[in-house]
Amino acid sequence: DIVMTQSPDSLAVSLGERATINCKSSRSVLYSSSSKNYLAWYQQKPGLPPKLLIYWAFTRDSGVPDRFSGSGSGTDFTLTIDSLQAEDVAVYFCQQYYSTPYTFGQGTRLEIK
Amino acid sequence: EVQLVESGGGLVQPGGSLRLSCAVSGFTFSNYWMSWVRQSPGKGLEWVANIKQDGTEKYYVDSLMGRFTISRDNTENSLYLQMNSLRAEDTAVYYCARDLGKWEPHQHWGQGTLVTVSS
Repeated sequence: DIVMTQSPDSLAVSLGERATINCKSSRSVLYSSSSKNYLAWYQQKPGLPPKLLIYWAFTRDSGVPDRFSGSGSGTDFTLTIDSLQAEDVAVYFCQQYYSTPYTFGQGTRLEIK
Repeated sequence: EVQLVESGGGLVQPGGSLRLSCAVSGFTFSNYWMSWVRQSPGKGLEWVANIKQDGTEKYYVDSLMGRFTISRDNTENSLYLQMNSLRAEDTAVYYCARDLGKWEPHQHWGQGTLVTVSS
């Protein structure tokens, strides 16, 4: 199984500042024939299901604000939230869907400083 | 509007069985891969299984060791998860999700149904 490891486990950022969350996979999730990274990011707020933010490592899902961006390739990925808003307080998960079993990172809790 | 509504969760004794259902609306169910994902209380997310549009392909997390079966009824717009030989570690909120496609992530999620395995 591909192991996904996020860092940090928790993060406190001031309103209006940038938050950066990292995700590392134990094997590359880049499919060479398509040049696509099979990596997604989700946001989960308390009491709610996860919400898909980004897939293919950097494609924002419909309706996701452009302050959310994804980057990286192969085994190392980053979710960046520019100009942090109060409503961005949540737990963020990365997930690889390159091979089954699809696996998630352990989550990063984002709070306001 | 895409809607997924899970049901069938509850308290069950170790070794027991439950069948979860997910009723969908707002999209053509038969066009999409579907998944079950679970989340243990206060813990992370675990993908459980997924199923092709026509039910002919199914994939599971290995740790289930054949205890769970995913299925679907496209005439009823419903997804199912039959869970047998339940263990305490199966205690979790179970979400059904609509996938973007095969080998693609989960774009829409239900609100989840809680399964508690305890004596």
